[in-house]
Amino acid sequence: GQQVMQIPQYQHVQEGEDFTTYCNSSTTLSNIQWYKQRPGGHPVFLIQLVKSGEVKKQKRLTFQFGEAKKNSSLHITATQTTDVGTYFCLYNQGGKLIFGQGTELSVKP
Amino acid sequence: DAGVIQSPRHEVTEMGQEVTLRCKPISGHNSLFWYRQTMMRGLELLIYFNNNVPIDDSGMPEDRFSAKMPNASFSTLKIQPSEPRDSAVYFCASRPQESDGYTFGSGTRLTVV
Repeated sequence: GQQVMQIPQYQHVQEGEDFTTYCNSSTTLSNIQWYKQRPGGHPVFLIQLVKSGEVKKQKRLTFQFGEAKKNSSLHITATQTTDVGTYFCLYNQGGKLIFGQGTELSVKP
Repeated sequence: DAGVIQSPRHEVTEMGQEVTLRCKPISGHNSLFWYRQTMMRGLELLIYFNNNVPIDDSGMPEDRFSAKMPNASFSTLKIQPSEPRDSAVYFCASRPQESDGYTFGSGTRLTVV
């Protein structure tokens, strides 16, 4: 069956450093979504990627979907303390929408 | 737009008691989802509805869990009887159509003692 791994599980950075989280699939994905969950909060939709090789930007956030549509990444440039939280990918597995394990980001001021 | 509204925000109950969680999706969203979040298992899809009809309930842990959506503006998730291992944050989410992202409610933190 389809296996999607989200890495790393945790990332601790100094404010101003960059951050990247990856979702890697063993099979082709139809699309992928990214969410952010602040501590004690609920997941908030960030973006959806559909096309092979797609790159989308939201201010300091850059989202990529691999050419083979098996990999996706979320990159934050120059992290700020407001970026703290857990970032999840969401993918379709046999018609069921599954969340990745999440990457918890902490930012030291 | 008030967003997805869940109630209660917190629920503490004794083992064996019935628990009912409530959700009001965003008006016009025709899909509604119930998720459970724990440290061990992350975010798990329990059940989802399209146009008030349950489509996939394979994520419902066992017969103690049931969900209903009597109309487009209301859904409930019931646990009867509750057990300590049901303790988790339960999220409701809705979306207007399949190509869109979810909008989540603030969740219900359930503690079963």
